[in-house]
Amino acid sequence: DQQVKQNSPSLSVQEGRISILNCDYTNSMFDYFLWYKKYPAEGPTFLISISSIKDKNEDGRFTVFLNKSAKHLSLHIVPSQPGDSAVYFCAARSGGYQKVTFGTGTKLQVIP
Amino acid sequence: NAGVTQTPKFRILKIGQSMTLQCTQDMNHNYMYWYRQDPGMGLKLIYYSVGAGITDKGEVPNGYNVSRSTTEDFPLRLELAAPSQTSVYFCASSYSRQGSSYEQYFGPGTRLTVT
Repeated sequence: DQQVKQNSPSLSVQEGRISILNCDYTNSMFDYFLWYKKYPAEGPTFLISISSIKDKNEDGRFTVFLNKSAKHLSLHIVPSQPGDSAVYFCAARSGGYQKVTFGTGTKLQVIP
Repeated sequence: NAGVTQTPKFRILKIGQSMTLQCTQDMNHNYMYWYRQDPGMGLKLIYYSVGAGITDKGEVPNGYNVSRSTTEDFPLRLELAAPSQTSVYFCASSYSRQGSSYEQYFGPGTRLTVT
């Protein structure tokens, strides 16, 4: 049972345009959501997070939106840059625990 | 700070061999984790630790063992290696702090092949 789903394995976007990466979840007990970015042959690095009590969090070019009623979150990257080309993982944390559940990732390619 | 370091970077094992994947963090984090990532899949939690002397199973613990004798080190032991354990292994750490975003810091990974 996959509790965190990223249904798009890949996404291609032109440089300067908006990239939108989506994530759906099934467990209503998740209280924190995180996005990680992973380059080949490296470990994932933390990008941005959002608490379940908020619906938006912004950090520079990156914005995460949370729709609790739809159990859906999205990561917006504006404007997209070639250096953003990487695999993006959505992750969710259950209250009271440091364990997180990861999605399968979306590979973003930003075309110059 | 070096962050989270893992050794070795690559390893090829024969079926039935055993090995230990090393993980060290210098951020004084209380939580540490071991994940594996198979091609096209997300990260699956193998074991985690909430502090020295305390470990617990994750999603896919079979075939692995861990110990946490110090805050810094969290080695992962593979006994009787099997082809199904061919994967990339990531160690991570995090700090439990009120109001933090609970982000985990990952090592660079160990690519293990069992043949």
